[in-house]
Amino acid sequence: QVTLKESGPGMLQPSKTLSLTCSFSGFSLSTSGMVVSWIRQPSGKSLEWLAAIDWDGDKYYNPSLKSRLTVSKDTSNTQVFLKITSVDIADTATYYCARGATSFDYWGQGVMVTVSS
Amino acid sequence: DTVLTQSPALAVSPGERVTISCRASESVSTGMHWYQQKPGQQPKLLIYGASNLESGVPARFSGSGSGTDFTLTIDPVEADDTATYFCQQSWNDFTFGSGTKLEIK
Repeated sequence: QVTLKESGPGMLQPSKTLSLTCSFSGFSLSTSGMVVSWIRQPSGKSLEWLAAIDWDGDKYYNPSLKSRLTVSKDTSNTQVFLKITSVDIADTATYYCARGATSFDYWGQGVMVTVSS
Repeated sequence: DTVLTQSPALAVSPGERVTISCRASESVSTGMHWYQQKPGQQPKLLIYGASNLESGVPARFSGSGSGTDFTLTIDPVEADDTATYFCQQSWNDFTFGSGTKLEIK
């Protein structure tokens, strides 16, 4: 059974760095072809793909946010991390991690992050 | 960026056939996928590769199209299909449409 679960700080101040963790089970990120992405959704709005990391450790970023994003994974290939630097109010959203190289077949429940002073 | 355009909302009655459209600003071949999202839930994959039904999704859902014009069809619609439907392309990075909110009258 594939499951993913996001965790994060809940709330943070503008200009800080947001750190998110995606913990998953039911598959290994060391398996050829596996990819985990981060996607976010402001309340009432659409979805925005942020970043991805694949089984080989290759990283992919949304060009419009690339300078602020860092995606990584742990050595056991059961967790993926995302850091977003210099957050502002516009980064307030629910953040999801999802599995897939083209379409996303499994999603976590999402973690809500509020940026506020 | 490849921009995906969806109509904002539709309202249909149970038992009817509904088509939800998604137009891409440039060709995405068959790299188009569809999701259903209910309030407070994560998106659920319905269709991948433009026309392939995801495992476990009812056959009432189908997808078609290639290039720039794509359609998600639900036939017949049921009350539980009330949700927002998003298209997503994977041909040029990943982008999502703005979503179509489906109301069942």
